[in-house]
Amino acid sequence: QITLKESGPTLVKPTQTLTLTCTFSGFSLSVSGVGVGWIRQPPGKALEWLAHIYWDDDRRYSPSLKSRLTITKDTPKNQVVLTVTNTDPVDTATYYCAHIRAAAGFFDFWGQGTLVTVSS
Amino acid sequence: DIQMTQSPSTLSASIGDRVTITCRASQTINSWLAWYQQKPGKAPKFLIYRASRLESGVPSRFNGSGSGTEFTLTISSLQPDDFATYYCQHYNSYSGTFGQGTKVEIK
Repeated sequence: QITLKESGPTLVKPTQTLTLTCTFSGFSLSVSGVGVGWIRQPPGKALEWLAHIYWDDDRRYSPSLKSRLTITKDTPKNQVVLTVTNTDPVDTATYYCAHIRAAAGFFDFWGQGTLVTVSS
Repeated sequence: DIQMTQSPSTLSASIGDRVTITCRASQTINSWLAWYQQKPGKAPKFLIYRASRLESGVPSRFNGSGSGTEFTLTISSLQPDDFATYYCQHYNSYSGTFGQGTKVEIK
């Protein structure tokens, strides 16, 4: 059974760095083809893909946010971490992590999401 | 970048109606398209991949079709549990662009 759960601060001040952790179970990032992605959703708005990382440490980022995002994995801990630098109120959103099947790029299992507010 | 455009943005329908949502890509994406259902306050639920392949456990009233740049999600007979927002996603190993969503509401 695959489960994922996001954790991190609920409130960050503008210009600060946001660090989010995805802790998962039911799969391993040491297995070929496995990946984890991050997606966010501002209140009342659409989903936005941010980044993903694969078992072989291949990392991909949204072109519009690439300069501000870093995704890393800790395979023994079953965790993936996303950092967002120089935050702005427009980064206020629910952040989701999700399992990627067979290096395909679609997300078949999702975490419950965590709401992050960027405000002074 | 490939852009994904869904239509309509909102759709009003009744129980038992046949409902169709369209998703268009700004350039050809072959069949690299997924569909998700999202209810208020919940994470999206994965429905379909490769444009037409139903995920295990998803009711057969959901059907995906299309290739190239135009895709559709059809619900053959709308059920109370289907009122939600639906998103398409172009995916590959390198990116995962979502459409803006289509809200299916009660008429």
